[in-house]
Amino acid sequence: DGGITQSPKYLFRKEGQNVTLSCEQNLNHDAMYWYRQDPGQGLRLIYYSQIVNDFQKGDIAEGYSVSREKKESFPLTVTSAQKNPTAFYLCASSLTGHRLDQPQHFGDGTRLSIL
Amino acid sequence: QKEVEQNSGPLSVPEGAIASLNCTYSDRVSQSFFWYRQYSGKSPELIMSIYSNGDKEDGRFTAQLNKASQYVSLLIRDSQPSDSATYLCAVNRWGSGGSNYKLTFGKGTLLTVNP
Repeated sequence: DGGITQSPKYLFRKEGQNVTLSCEQNLNHDAMYWYRQDPGQGLRLIYYSQIVNDFQKGDIAEGYSVSREKKESFPLTVTSAQKNPTAFYLCASSLTGHRLDQPQHFGDGTRLSIL
Repeated sequence: QKEVEQNSGPLSVPEGAIASLNCTYSDRVSQSFFWYRQYSGKSPELIMSIYSNGDKEDGRFTAQLNKASQYVSLLIRDSQPSDSATYLCAVNRWGSGGSNYKLTFGKGTLLTVNP
């Protein structure tokens, strides 16, 4: 089945540690996105990528990094510089970011907590 | 003024009633609009999209758009307990960087349908 796979489902980070969240899609979508959701809050955009080997900062990129070496993969690294990483992280993709009628579809998410 | 505003709720309706969820947005150049449903602990799921003024119906769901009033709504007819979830409004507009569309989410309205 086509879809977006995020792993792991739950992740725990120790102080000073970098952790990487995986996002893979087999929908042949060009655009991929990372969002963060805190309790009672809307989704906030961390990074997005419209094409392989290119990505842009979203609204809250500080303390995060990404790569887009393959069309189907867009991993997110939460660095030790991110002081409040506990959140629900959602990866999304869309066919393209250049058309207004293309919705974003989401993976199942990763819950990150601090030990 | 927040870019996308929704009443946080909770909105409580009896089973079989019509649930009405509202969303206002601040940017007049917004061009497409999406409603997502998010069950507790799960990721958002696309349920409706609308691009033109007026109504769009899909099964028990009707999306309504009024661009002059900068207002979009979602009606759920014959509400069922399984409709109990948070409903996120998302507004799409061309990004300020000029290279892609940007989706902005409201914080969501919690709907509870009582048996």
